[in-house]
Amino acid sequence: KQEVTQIPAALSVPEGENLVLNCSFTDSAIYNLQWFRQDPGKGLTSLLLIQSSQREQTSGRLNASLDKSSGRSTLYIAASQPGDSATYLCAVSPGTASKLTFGTGTRLQVTL
Amino acid sequence: SAVISQKPSRDICQRGTSLTIQCQVDSQVTMMFWYRQQPGQSLTLIATANQGSEATYESGFVIDKFPISRPNLTFSTLTVSNMSPEDSSIYLCSVGGPGNEKLFFGSGTQLSVL
Repeated sequence: KQEVTQIPAALSVPEGENLVLNCSFTDSAIYNLQWFRQDPGKGLTSLLLIQSSQREQTSGRLNASLDKSSGRSTLYIAASQPGDSATYLCAVSPGTASKLTFGTGTRLQVTL
Repeated sequence: SAVISQKPSRDICQRGTSLTIQCQVDSQVTMMFWYRQQPGQSLTLIATANQGSEATYESGFVIDKFPISRPNLTFSTLTVSNMSPEDSSIYLCSVGGPGNEKLFFGSGTQLSVL
């Protein structure tokens, strides 16, 4: 059974700092990995999707990497802003349109 | 990307009653998923709703407790039946995007059972 773990569970950083969120999964037979952002009352927003054959994806200040063989992914956020405050979830999929296994989430707070 | 409307956004219900949550998508999609997020926990898949066939439930979830309808390719409902306080959670529907890779989520239904 796939298990996904995220470290740290919570993180507080001052504005402008670069930060890294970690995600690990136990079964390397994944199709893709997604990073989501969850805001209270607003559901989940997909940030980045990395195919199993890819090493990284970038969108603006966000960069996600994937090391499938070691079962790890990182989400790098550059120059953090208070608007980045949210819970970040990683999730892995065993196949297309397939059910996701979610991590436990990292609650990020960026302070002024 | 798909736009998903989920209703209600929140509700407070009495023990023993049932609540039906609606999920409307702005485009036709083959598969829709229902997730539950218990307080302080991550998301857990309840079932996959396929148009034209019965929903497929994950381990620990049964149709009698969480009946699902999927009358067409843009709409689905999830009912939480005979509710107890343990059912207090956020319930979210999601759909696969083009190529069925990315998943898009509704804004969720915050359910509190007294």
